[in-house]
Amino acid sequence: AQSVTQLDSQVPVFEEAPVELRCNYSSSVSVYLFWYVQYPNQGLQLLLKYLSGSTLVKGINGFEAEFNKSQTSFHLRKPSVHISDTAEYFCAVTPKYNFNKFYFGSGTKLNVKP
Amino acid sequence: GAVVSQHPSRVICKSGTSVKIECRSLDFQATTMFWYRQFPKKSLMLMATSNEGSKATYEQGVEKDKFLINHASLTLSTLTVTSAHPEDSSFYICSARRGTSLTDTQYFGPGTRLTVL
Repeated sequence: AQSVTQLDSQVPVFEEAPVELRCNYSSSVSVYLFWYVQYPNQGLQLLLKYLSGSTLVKGINGFEAEFNKSQTSFHLRKPSVHISDTAEYFCAVTPKYNFNKFYFGSGTKLNVKP
Repeated sequence: GAVVSQHPSRVICKSGTSVKIECRSLDFQATTMFWYRQFPKKSLMLMATSNEGSKATYEQGVEKDKFLINHASLTLSTLTVTSAHPEDSSFYICSARRGTSLTDTQYFGPGTRLTVL
């Protein structure tokens, strides 16, 4: 079985400061990893994904994430956040043998303050 | 990116009634659609996967007679909560995928808030 843990339910940060949103997963099989962002009253949008290759992946809006297999982590980072980054962020995994099944974390609310 | 809509965005119903939620892919044909349920401060839980023209595949623990899913066309899937009860109150989210490849992105709808009184 797969599970995803996002330990931080809320992360407050000041504008232009760096941020890291943590994601750890547990799985008995190999997985693909994703980060989604949800703005108010909108659907989840794909930020970035790790399928294979370089463990550092870059996504939209200046976000990047690094896959660490030994620590089973896929933390999301941005060197300088903007007010417009205020949203809820979800980490997700899907097993390689069945990529129709997504397992989501409980989300982290990023609150960027001026 | 592609757009997926859901209707209604909010619905309140009485216990014992049925409620239908629509999920539409507006600018692409969706081979596969998914229905999720989200409890407050919890993760999205996959309820079922549906392919156009065939029966939905339900996840373990999801009552298929209670949560009826119909994928009538390549742009429309519906979720009907039958004989709703207060414990069915939740946030329901659909997503759609154009193809069957891993590289085909899942596009998510904005969700439907169901409140059963």
